[in-house]
Amino acid sequence: DIQMTQSPSSLSASVGDRVTITCQASRHIGNHLNWYQQKPGKAPELLIYDVSNLETGVPSRFTAGGSGTDFSFTISSLQPEDLATYFCQQYDEFPFTFGPGTTVDIK
Amino acid sequence: EVQLLESGGGLVQPGGSLRLSCTASGFSFSSYAMSWVRQAPGRGLEWVSLISGSGGRADYADSVKGRFTISRDNSKNTVYLQMNSLRGEDTAVYYCAKAQNLIMVYAPFDSWGQGTRVSVSS
Repeated sequence: DIQMTQSPSSLSASVGDRVTITCQASRHIGNHLNWYQQKPGKAPELLIYDVSNLETGVPSRFTAGGSGTDFSFTISSLQPEDLATYFCQQYDEFPFTFGPGTTVDIK
Repeated sequence: EVQLLESGGGLVQPGGSLRLSCTASGFSFSSYAMSWVRQAPGRGLEWVSLISGSGGRADYADSVKGRFTISRDNSKNTVYLQMNSLRGEDTAVYYCAKAQNLIMVYAPFDSWGQGTRVSVSS
């Protein structure tokens, strides 16, 4: 199975800060990498697909990039509503696997 | 608007069975693969199973292979997860999720249900 790791596991930042999360796959996954946001008590939502494509309706402060095995996700200006856990996910091969998540807290 | 509504969760004893349902609306159901993804309490997300739009292909996580069966009834816009021989480690919120791309099995999950809770305990 492809293992996904994320760092940091949690972070606390102030409104307006730039926040970056990294995700690493245990082997090459091409561009088959997605990012999901899960707010407390809610279902996950797709934010970014295929490494860097913003899902419809997602604010442009969310960006992402990377290739091969190393990927990153950035919130350019953190907002109070961004309090959530963020997961990366590979769909290059079965079983689809998720990173352990990064919890973003607002200072 | 895409809507996914799960049902069927509950408390079951170890070794017992449950059948989860996910009823969909707002899209051409038979054209999209559907998955089940679970989340144990305080834990991350685990993909459990996927079924193609036609129902001709199904895949499973090793942790559930041989115990869980995914199926779908396209006339009812519903996907099912039959869970047998349940264990404590199956305790989780189970979400159904829709593939983003028409026909494709390998695709992001662009819509999720609200989840149904399964608790396995004596």
